[in-house]
Amino acid sequence: GESVGLHLPTLSVQEGDNSIINCAYSNSASDYFIWYKQESGKGPQFIIDIRSNMDKRQGQRVTVLLNKTVKHLSLQIAATQPGDSAVYFCAEKKGNNRLAFGKGNQVVVIP
Amino acid sequence: DAGVIQSPRHEVTEMGQEVTLRCKPISGHNSLFWYRQTMMRGLELLIYFNNNVPIDDSGMPEDRFSAKMPNASFSTLKIQPSEPRDSAVYFCASSTGNEAFFGQGTRLTVV
Repeated sequence: GESVGLHLPTLSVQEGDNSIINCAYSNSASDYFIWYKQESGKGPQFIIDIRSNMDKRQGQRVTVLLNKTVKHLSLQIAATQPGDSAVYFCAEKKGNNRLAFGKGNQVVVIP
Repeated sequence: DAGVIQSPRHEVTEMGQEVTLRCKPISGHNSLFWYRQTMMRGLELLIYFNNNVPIDDSGMPEDRFSAKMPNASFSTLKIQPSEPRDSAVYFCASSTGNEAFFGQGTRLTVV
């Protein structure tokens, strides 16, 4: 596989169960947040985004929750499938259009 | 659109050699980013361009690294001389201002 952290927090989830991945961000002035999925050997892929004027946003099988009070972001995956096994990164948009990425969370789906 | 295209996919070079990584962003995207991914440090932003102009190069590790964007459809990241600690996966991403779309990356190994 590609260079992702060997010591990433890992979530093992049974196929069909729901997954919740958490992320803390640093800058209270950040106004845009994204979740990315990275499979082995590939670049990060956009999953879902949310602006700071929202608390929740839903996509297909995914929901992002934003708690600005505690600077916390979470990604919920419904009915987790084997294809959801990957590393998930949260990213916050800082000044000058920069995206700063978190360290990542490994999700392992058990068939 | 074929997405962000990076070349080469893999590069193995000897310490001291010059390495040039190439990127073709998605047509119409006005922002281009170079990231480096390692086990120890995760995804780090090296430099980003807006409308072909370097905006923030504070992430470039040292003078051995340089990046150019001569036109809207091409960018290079050059390392000279390369060192073993430069071994990593280098990603290029492009954006219109919100989410960034990543290429498949170049896996660089310096021996």
